[in-house]
Amino acid sequence: SAVISQKPSRDICQRGTSLTIQCQVDSQVTMMFWYRQQPGQSLTLIATANQGSEATYESGFVIDKFPISRPNLTFSTLTVSNMSPEDSSIYLCSVAGSDNSPLHFGNGTRLTVT
Amino acid sequence: GQSLEQPSEVTAVEGAIVQINCTYQTSGFYGLSWYQQHDGGAPTFLSYNGLDGLEETGRFSSFLSRSDSYGYLLLQELQMKDSASYFCAVNSGWGQGNLIFGKGTKLSVKP
Repeated sequence: SAVISQKPSRDICQRGTSLTIQCQVDSQVTMMFWYRQQPGQSLTLIATANQGSEATYESGFVIDKFPISRPNLTFSTLTVSNMSPEDSSIYLCSVAGSDNSPLHFGNGTRLTVT
Repeated sequence: GQSLEQPSEVTAVEGAIVQINCTYQTSGFYGLSWYQQHDGGAPTFLSYNGLDGLEETGRFSSFLSRSDSYGYLLLQELQMKDSASYFCAVNSGWGQGNLIFGKGTKLSVKP
């Protein structure tokens, strides 16, 4: 399975600022996915990042708040913009090797907004 | 709406067998996955059922009945290290990344 590296692993940020999370994969993948896991909650898909096109956002998530870049087949970034305490969550990058392979997650970025 | 139901907590003793059920109601269905997440860790893939029946992987097995919109994860010979949260997830759209997760079942294994 792919090795997924996320940076930073955790951060404490002030409200109103922005944080960019990086996700690096050790192999080329068509689609990369960004999930959010709020404290004690389940995982929710934010968006799908495809190389060479704009990300596809799920209901409740917008590009202005969570801009995503996907410059190549092994890298993506998610920015959490104009943060508020409600954005305190774990943000997870994930990939699937192909449409029929399981989804694998990076170790996540634990974000606390004060 | 789309929903997955699974028990919030389960407690069992070492060496025992535990079954975690998951019922789902989604607009699309391409398969049911199970993930394990230890406190502070990332979700780890355990098992996937695309068709009805039982899939076995070591001490873990997973079952799916599409007609009943139901599946379960079976953990045998429980060990202390199995204490974790377990999530069922439905692949409701094309591509494995489009997963809808249940709220998770916190399994506590006691000595």
